[in-house]
Amino acid sequence: DAGVIQSPRHEVTEMGQEVTLRCKPISGHNSLFWYRQTMMRGLELLIYFNNNVPIDDSGMPEDRFSAKMPNASFSTLKIQPSEPRDSAVYFCASSLEWRGDTQYFGPGTRLTVL
Amino acid sequence: DAKTTQPNSMESNEEEPVHLPCNHSTISGTDYIHWYRQLPSQGPEYVIHGLTSNVNNRMASLAIAEDRKSSTLILHRATLRDAAVYYCILRAKYGGSQGNLIFGKGTKLSVKP
Repeated sequence: DAGVIQSPRHEVTEMGQEVTLRCKPISGHNSLFWYRQTMMRGLELLIYFNNNVPIDDSGMPEDRFSAKMPNASFSTLKIQPSEPRDSAVYFCASSLEWRGDTQYFGPGTRLTVL
Repeated sequence: DAKTTQPNSMESNEEEPVHLPCNHSTISGTDYIHWYRQLPSQGPEYVIHGLTSNVNNRMASLAIAEDRKSSTLILHRATLRDAAVYYCILRAKYGGSQGNLIFGKGTKLSVKP
């Protein structure tokens, strides 16, 4: 299996622009998680889905962030408009189920907002 | 939420065993102890987990204290590739939001050749 796939691997954009991060979970996994990692705050859970349905989005920092999972093999995390403080590495992870199963992480997308 | 305490950093020599400690004095009876690690410029990866008994797998061993208030991740022969940040995480047995992975600062392990 190719593992969790994220694209792009690096994104540089200007403040105010829309940014879309993409994730393909491992085939057969029913749960998908979005995390953000910064030096100041470490790894934070933003939102997670089970069977394509958002279960908990309490970690999403503000309304500028939105996430969708239109089908079992694809999810997006969108930031509109982006701000410099959104600069971070964003990780996607998937697991068989959301209740305590091992999570498999993608390589991350490094986002820089100028 | 039950929390864990780990040293900020540790050093090891290549091919020697490494014992990474974790304190979790407020652990509940239904919390699993999970370890993940994050290699430089990569996403975290699962290492091992356990509930009460010691556990072994191809990557490491997990030794759990009898009172479960502490645990130790054991790398039997450290390699340069083991240099990473190691996270000790408590996860509720029956999942839900308490089954989420809550990452602390972890222990940064350096391995010297």
